[in-house]
Amino acid sequence: LAKTTQPISMDSYEGQEVNITCSHNNIATNDYITWYQQFPSQGPRFIIQGYKTKVTNEVASLFIPADRKSSTLSLPRVSLSDTAVYYCLVGAWMDSSYKLIFGSGTRLLVRP
Amino acid sequence: DTEVTQTPKHLVMGMTNKKSLKCEQHMGHRAMYWYKQKAKKPPELMFVYSYEKLSINESVPSRFSPECPNSSLLNLHLHALQPEDSALYLCASSQESSGSGWTDTQYFGPGTRLTVL
Repeated sequence: LAKTTQPISMDSYEGQEVNITCSHNNIATNDYITWYQQFPSQGPRFIIQGYKTKVTNEVASLFIPADRKSSTLSLPRVSLSDTAVYYCLVGAWMDSSYKLIFGSGTRLLVRP
Repeated sequence: DTEVTQTPKHLVMGMTNKKSLKCEQHMGHRAMYWYKQKAKKPPELMFVYSYEKLSINESVPSRFSPECPNSSLLNLHLHALQPEDSALYLCASSQESSGSGWTDTQYFGPGTRLTVL
């Protein structure tokens, strides 16, 4: 059974770096790995996307090992407004069917 | 314009009612998605339309009926729902995928909060 797992929750303090890992064992060969941020009662918002190695944009970095079975979202110097739920999204093969699967989600709490 | 709009924001309906959720985007995207999200859970894919044709149906009960009238609009028709269908329904759109499955960047609307009594 394909699973996309993340830590349930993480705590951090303002100004720290936060790393959130997603495990995706059955990721489809051609698919990207995408991370989203979601605030309560809102739709997910795109953070970053990558296929392999490392990708960096103005808000985050994404690290993907060679086997692509996991990925790590890195948020540098978090602020209170980064308190949210973070999801990875991958395509994976499960029982010969292609599935688009969100990870279980990580609730990040940033404290002052 | 990178906005996906959804109407209504909130909907309360009885189990015998018929209602529709609407989604609109003007980014020229050719793929559109419906997701269902229960509280404290990740979004679950329901349907994907590509070039106005249904490409993925994740074995969703027939009381949910999607429709894509044109490349900018996506509807979800609801009939004879159950209380367990109460959830946040999210619409998203993306550029047509080209060899990368369905994992092109998706832009999500704010969702419709549905309550079935």
